[in-house]
Amino acid sequence: AQKVTQAQTEISVVEKEDVTLDCVYETRDTTYYLFWYKQPPSGELVFLIRRNSFDEQNEISGRYSWNFQKSTSSFNFTITASQVVDSAVYFCALSEAGGYQKVTFGIGTKLQVIP
Amino acid sequence: SAVISQKPSRDICQRGTSLTIQCQVDSQVTMMFWYRQQPGQSLTLIATANQGSEATYESGFVIDKFPISRPNLTFSTLTVSNMSPEDSSIYLCSVESAGVGPDTQYFGPGTRLTVL
Repeated sequence: AQKVTQAQTEISVVEKEDVTLDCVYETRDTTYYLFWYKQPPSGELVFLIRRNSFDEQNEISGRYSWNFQKSTSSFNFTITASQVVDSAVYFCALSEAGGYQKVTFGIGTKLQVIP
Repeated sequence: SAVISQKPSRDICQRGTSLTIQCQVDSQVTMMFWYRQQPGQSLTLIATANQGSEATYESGFVIDKFPISRPNLTFSTLTVSNMSPEDSSIYLCSVESAGVGPDTQYFGPGTRLTVL
């Protein structure tokens, strides 16, 4: 069975600090997808990234970056120079079927960026 | 991009009744999904709504409890049947937007359901 662990339930950082959100996953499949989502206090869900298991290149998008390491079954998310608007709950997820089906979500990490 | 609307935005229902949630997308999409987020919890995928065929349900969810319709490529409904307080959740519609560039997933604003 697949499993996603987000060990950090809550993190607080001061604005402009860098922060890394950890995600460790378990799966028996060799083909799978990993996701990150953001849920701000307003409640709407925002898709951030989907990465397939064959692509281990790190991804950078503005202040966001993702580090995928198969050797440690981790898909960590780093926010550089954090801003108050980054305050949200961040969910990591894993899909063994590929695509968006048969997906397991982590419990989420609540990030608070203090001005 | 895709803009998704859901109706109703919230409702309070009595146990034993049913509620149908509508999801409308402003463009044609192949993949539509229904998620549930129980209070203070993470997300759970309920099913994939397939156009022209029966929905594909995730483990733990059945058609009798959560019937889904997908009459065309821009619209879907999710019915929560014979509700109990445990069904109190936010129900989210989502679509995949695939095309030029990386695939992206969009979410509706959610329907907040309270069952008394």
